[in-house]
Amino acid sequence: DVKVTQSSRYLVKRTGEKVFLECVQDMDHENMFWYRQDPGLGLRLIYFSYDVKMKEKGDIPEGYSVSREKKERFSLILESASTNQTSMYLCASSLWGGEQFFGPGTRLTVL
Amino acid sequence: GESVGLHLPTLSVQEGDNSIINCAYSNSASDYFIWYKQESGKGPQFIIDIRSNMDKRQGQRVTVLLNKTVKHLSLQIAATQPGDSAVYFCAEVYGGSQGNLIFGKGTKLSVKP
Repeated sequence: DVKVTQSSRYLVKRTGEKVFLECVQDMDHENMFWYRQDPGLGLRLIYFSYDVKMKEKGDIPEGYSVSREKKERFSLILESASTNQTSMYLCASSLWGGEQFFGPGTRLTVL
Repeated sequence: GESVGLHLPTLSVQEGDNSIINCAYSNSASDYFIWYKQESGKGPQFIIDIRSNMDKRQGQRVTVLLNKTVKHLSLQIAATQPGDSAVYFCAEVYGGSQGNLIFGKGTKLSVKP
């Protein structure tokens, strides 16, 4: 079975802190994605990567950056957390053109 | 409980009844569609998919129907069970081999025992 793991289920940070969300997949997938999920807005794509060291902006990249140094790991970085970044963050991975497999999510609260 | 289910259309069914969840998609060039199920506190899980050259696909207790003329997808769940209670999302795949998804807003399915 494909496994996508995220470093934390729940995280509480203060405004202005730098936040790292880590995602690891164990199926050698090329593509990895970061979404945020908010009530009434559904899932929105923040960034994605289709290869090591490659990254592409999604629909809402402002305030975020990403890093993909190894194929299995895709990190989402909040350089200076703000309260409007309180959300559920979901990581996913996929093979070329295939279904996306999701991690369990990280619920981030920024105070 | 999880707030992902707030502000969503809700479908309430009796255990044992059939459920039909509908979804309208936007891009007529999308060639692949997926239904996901998201239970409270978990990430979305794949249920079933369908290619645009098909109009129906069946899985175990689930059937997906695709009407390209009106850009409409439906998910039918037979003999709905309490464990089917979740939020259901349709997604259309675009972007060629990269497989980026456009998600619908979701429908919350509540099953009454």
